[in-house]
Amino acid sequence: DAGVIQSPRHEVTEMGQEVTLRCKPISGHDYLFWYRQTMMRGLELLIYFNNNVPIDDSGMPEDRFSAKMPNASFSTLKIQPSEPRDSAVYFCASRGTEIGQETQYFGPGTRLLVL
Amino acid sequence: EDKVVQSPLSLVVHEGDTVTLNCSYEVTNFRSLLWYKQEKKAPTFLFMLTSSGIEKKSGRLSSILDKKELFSILNITATQTGDSAVYLCAVANNNQGGKLIFGQGTELSVKP
Repeated sequence: DAGVIQSPRHEVTEMGQEVTLRCKPISGHDYLFWYRQTMMRGLELLIYFNNNVPIDDSGMPEDRFSAKMPNASFSTLKIQPSEPRDSAVYFCASRGTEIGQETQYFGPGTRLLVL
Repeated sequence: EDKVVQSPLSLVVHEGDTVTLNCSYEVTNFRSLLWYKQEKKAPTFLFMLTSSGIEKKSGRLSSILDKKELFSILNITATQTGDSAVYLCAVANNNQGGKLIFGQGTELSVKP
């Protein structure tokens, strides 16, 4: 398996623009997580899905952030409009449900810079 | 509120030294504790611990969990420069689908 795939790997945009980050989880995993990592705040969980349904979005910072999972193999995290304080590395992770599949596997991350 | 606290926050050692990283937690309905290593990229999985007193070992790395005292340690023996990384501890609870709560991480720097 190719692991968790994220795109783009790097994104530079201007304040006010819409940003869409994409994630393909590991095949067969039914949990998907979106994280944000900054030097100041460390790794923060934004939202997670189970079987394509959002379960907990309490970590989503503002209404400017939204996430969708239209099917088991694809999820997006959208920021509209983006602001400089959104600059961070955004990770997607996935895991299975079976006993022994509880480890979350992380994608390579998207490094976002909002100017 | 669930929380995970790691110590020290940073550590500088020389090659060959042995280090111990600490992770304490307060989590309702504990499910598991995980250790990750993060270099300049995504976190990579090291260990998952669910039972007290059972050491998990992988090469020079080992980890153990104490569910009574609510902590875990990660040991690295005979450190190498390639061990330099941020080590993250995370705890999953049963209430929220195994959602992980991460500690701040310990930044380990191994000097030649």
